[in-house]
Amino acid sequence: SQQGEEDPQALSIQEGENATMNCSYKTSINNLQWYRQNSGRGLVHLILIRSNEREKHSGRLRVTLDTSKKSSSLLITASRAADTASYFCATDAGEYGNKLVFGAGTILRVKS
Amino acid sequence: EPEVTQTPSHQVTQMGQEVILRCVPISNHLYFYWYRQILGQKVEFLVSFYNNEISEKSEIFDDQFSVERPDGSNFTLKIRSTKLEDSAMYFCATLKVSSYNEQFFGPGTRLTVL
Repeated sequence: SQQGEEDPQALSIQEGENATMNCSYKTSINNLQWYRQNSGRGLVHLILIRSNEREKHSGRLRVTLDTSKKSSSLLITASRAADTASYFCATDAGEYGNKLVFGAGTILRVKS
Repeated sequence: EPEVTQTPSHQVTQMGQEVILRCVPISNHLYFYWYRQILGQKVEFLVSFYNNEISEKSEIFDDQFSVERPDGSNFTLKIRSTKLEDSAMYFCATLKVSSYNEQFFGPGTRLTVL
């Protein structure tokens, strides 16, 4: 399977600090995406990085992708209490429109 | 900004009962998906639907499950005879043809089977 796995499982930081979460996967992919989920709520799409891209930015988010190591990282800079949530990576492979395979997620807590 | 909507937000049912979960996709999206998340676990793929037919389904999606798009707008997931282990959050997701498989998720329906 192409399962993504995140680490750490949980991360607790102070407001203003940076948070880095990592994701690994097993097979070749087309894209890797990061989603945020507030407790008991839906999944919010954060950013998508294609397999031929190495780095992408969106506001305070920076995503890197290393296809040789089959890994990605999500960096949230200058974290805020509102960033407290679970963060999941999801990969897709094969034909367009194929399913997403999610990792187990990182629970981020930002303390104010 | 257009959003995927789902109803109901919470459904409580007795074991063995049928439930129908509803999703209204974003209007120009053509691919539809159901995923589920058991409490504290990963989000798991159930089924994908394109051009009025199932394109892929997981092992979870057995004969108790079915999907349809009855009126060209709503996308439904039916569970014929619910089991306790069907208790989970069910997410609908949609995708438009021109994007890079960026799937947009609804807020989910929390299904509790008693």
